[in-house]
Amino acid sequence: AQRVTQPEKLLSVFKGAPVELKCNYSYSGSPELFWYVQYSRQRLQLLLRHISRESIKGFTADLNKGETSFHLKKPFAQEEDSAMYYCALTHAGNMLTFGGGTRLMVKP
Amino acid sequence: DVKVTQSSRYLVKRTGEKVFLECVQDMDHENMFWYRQDPGLGLRLIYFSYDVKMKEKGDIPEGYSVSREKKERFSLILESASTNQTSMYLCASSLKIGQSSYEQYFGPGTRLTVT
Repeated sequence: AQRVTQPEKLLSVFKGAPVELKCNYSYSGSPELFWYVQYSRQRLQLLLRHISRESIKGFTADLNKGETSFHLKKPFAQEEDSAMYYCALTHAGNMLTFGGGTRLMVKP
Repeated sequence: DVKVTQSSRYLVKRTGEKVFLECVQDMDHENMFWYRQDPGLGLRLIYFSYDVKMKEKGDIPEGYSVSREKKERFSLILESASTNQTSMYLCASSLKIGQSSYEQYFGPGTRLTVT
């Protein structure tokens, strides 16, 4: 069965510091991975997907099939990056399996 | 702009009551989903519908049922609410396989408290 693990419930960094939110997955097929973000008092929304290989708001994520990881990285954190981040994997064509989430706090 | 709306932001119900949570989307999406969101557990899928009157169980369907009579509307039903169903409930919709890379669009959530 598929599983997504985000080992850190809370990650606290100072503004301008690099940030890496970890995501590991287990899946027997060929995965499609995503990062979703929920800012305070806003709805959950897609941040980026691995097939796009794009940078959104300075964030990037590389799918490492050897390590079964999809870590989210940003070289210089901003206060407005403070939010709840969820890693997700798609399976059965349409359904997503989410990790437990990591709360990122960027301190001034 | 995709819009997913949920009937209530906050709901307080008593144990044993029947509870209806409504979700409406305006983008003609085939797929609709109900999740519950709990701290430390992330989002867990309750039910999924890929077409009108079609449904599939998610990871935690026990104690819940769903109804999809129209394409734009997906209802979650708690037949007899219990305190362990106190949670944030999120509805989402998406295009179906073959037309999208599976981005799901979420509603604002309904915080349900069962006392």
